[in-house]
Amino acid sequence: EAQVTQNPRYLITVTGKKLTVTCSQNMNHEYMSWYRQDPGLGLRQIYYSMNVEVTDKGDVPEGYKVSRKEKRNFPLILESPSPNQTSLYFCASSLSSERLDEQYFGPGTRLTVT
Amino acid sequence: AQTVTQSQPEMSVQEAETVTLSCTYDTSENNYYLFWYKQPPSRQMILVIRQEAYKQQNATENRFSVNFQKAAKSFSLKISDSQLGDTAMYFCAFASIYGSSNTGKLIFGQGTTLQVKP
Repeated sequence: EAQVTQNPRYLITVTGKKLTVTCSQNMNHEYMSWYRQDPGLGLRQIYYSMNVEVTDKGDVPEGYKVSRKEKRNFPLILESPSPNQTSLYFCASSLSSERLDEQYFGPGTRLTVT
Repeated sequence: AQTVTQSQPEMSVQEAETVTLSCTYDTSENNYYLFWYKQPPSRQMILVIRQEAYKQQNATENRFSVNFQKAAKSFSLKISDSQLGDTAMYFCAFASIYGSSNTGKLIFGQGTTLQVKP
């Protein structure tokens, strides 16, 4: 089954404690990205990756890092989480940056930073 | 910069009736995609319908159809014969297709919460 998986699905953590949210896709997609969803703001892109070893900032990259060492994985790293990073996070993938007509979303990760 | 606006934070409709959700967008590009996504309480993002800007014909998917007005930059979603399972948040989204502005990014509206009442 074609899918994007994220782990963990729920996480409560404290300010400053480094964490990683994993994202993996099994469709051999080149393009992957991370979004955060906040009430009244919709989803906003954090980082994206055109292909392996190529990543770039989206609209809200502050406080986040990513890496793309393998095609299938695109982890989101919060080095020092703060309460304003409490949000719902989605990973997404597609064949390429131009094939957004077939974009797959992960199930979401609810993060709470206290 | 492209923007997407959904001016209806909440809407409700009686089961079996028809409802229309509004979306406007701003772009200087000529080729792009527009989408409607559904987010039920499970929080999963589900693609409802998509429209390619160069296609004049409005997209339809079963009970879901769009009214795409390119000149007015309007992209509304019509849900016919509403069902209880349509209760969800709906997001309108824009994506550039070609050119230097193509970073693969979806630009989302603020969302509209739709409640279908029995």
